[in-house]
Amino acid sequence: GAVVSQHPSWVICKSGTSVKIECRSLDFQATTMFWYRQFPKQSLMLMATSNEGSKATYEQGVEKDKFLINHASLTLSTLTVTSAHPEDSSFYICSARDDGGVTNSPLHFGNGTRLTVT
Amino acid sequence: GDSVTQMEGPVTLSEEAFLTINCTYTATGYPSLFWYVQYPGEGLQLLLKATKADDKGSNKGFEATYRKETTSFHLEKGSVQVSDSAVYFCALSEGGYNKLIFGAGTRLAVHP
Repeated sequence: GAVVSQHPSWVICKSGTSVKIECRSLDFQATTMFWYRQFPKQSLMLMATSNEGSKATYEQGVEKDKFLINHASLTLSTLTVTSAHPEDSSFYICSARDDGGVTNSPLHFGNGTRLTVT
Repeated sequence: GDSVTQMEGPVTLSEEAFLTINCTYTATGYPSLFWYVQYPGEGLQLLLKATKADDKGSNKGFEATYRKETTSFHLEKGSVQVSDSAVYFCALSEGGYNKLIFGAGTRLAVHP
């Protein structure tokens, strides 16, 4: 089945540094990918929609300059948390839609990345 | 805005017990409703869905019925197995799969 690989699965960084998270569709092409964030015991919150070859669309309240999204190819989207602070510590999950799937086909999710900022 | 509320976990059951995980929603329109499951070490997978009132989604022995009058989409299974141990997420979308709004997730642990 369709696989989305997310890397790294966990990362610890110091406050003020930047961290890049990769989301790859391994066996399909994805023009559109989505980035979610999950706080402990809370819902997954959609952060942004990543579109290949164009700017990402951010949800209300998400700082686009802090969470940089790049979708340079049909199989890779990256999320960079810039100048990370402890409040950015969270679980980040990406998902992707198979361009070759049927209309309104379901999303495929990565395993998530646990970010801890010290 | 739209939201999903599901019962807090963890839910701990013995094998072959009956499972219910409650999910209620608020939405301005007529959303599609979903249950996703996340097995240990894996990504979220679509378990079942329903796109209109009174629809019943079912898969792998799980089922859920879209109840518009009670704005609910409770997940049920008649006899759980140890392999069902996972985190279950209820979700809704007003526009296909694009903007999924998730509940907080419910962890299920099934013991032999």
